Amino acid sequence: EVQLVESGGGLVQPGRSLRLSCAASGFTFDDYALHWVRQTSGKGLEWVSGISWNSGSIGYAESVKGRFTISRDNAKNSLYLQMNSLRAEDTALYYCARDVNPNILTGLDGFDIWGQGTMVTVSS
Amino acid sequence: SSELTQDPAVSVALGQSVRITCQGDSLRTYYAGWYQQRPGQAPVLVIYGKNNRPSGIPDRFSGSTSGNTASLTITGAQAEDEADYYCNSRDNSGNHLVFGGGTKLTVL
Repeated sequence: EVQLVESGGGLVQPGRSLRLSCAASGFTFDDYALHWVRQTSGKGLEWVSGISWNSGSIGYAESVKGRFTISRDNAKNSLYLQMNSLRAEDTALYYCARDVNPNILTGLDGFDIWGQGTMVTVSS
Repeated sequence: SSELTQDPAVSVALGQSVRITCQGDSLRTYYAGWYQQRPGQAPVLVIYGKNNRPSGIPDRFSGSTSGNTASLTITGAQAEDEADYYCNSRDNSGNHLVFGGGTKLTVL
């Protein structure tokens, strides 16, 4: 079964750090780009970051650029998001999502597999 | 606010057709993807590219673009189609991905 499983969420104080992980199974991991997408409670989706199959192309939303770092380990079939200097507005459910392409920003963008998400709450 | 604009809510009678739209300047250049999200569930990709449906998505879902507007059409809406629908594409710079604000579809 094709699957993405996120972990690492939790309650963290403003200014602190957190690292999210996403474990993939059921498909050839390094054939696909991957993304992090977040959703605030009862609200819409926000693209956070994406990484190509070989980590050669990376993109970030302006709201997280300079604070968040995306990475992947193809040997471990895992995607990561290092989140530093967290703010209250980063509170959200964070999804890991698979791109239909090996590269990001192809113009044929689509996220065809999603995990169930991991909740991040930034509060003092 | 998002650079992709969607109507907050749309309704359709059971079995009738409905079009959900997404407006943005970037859609003149880039295709939109469309996602269905039911309450408490992760989003599901229903359309991407010119009009591509992932495996398992019913053929009553179709996509199109005209000018700065992308559309998702459901031909013969079913009760299970009641959900939030989001479009995504590039922002106006072309360097980032963005989502529309979402449309809540009610099937009457």
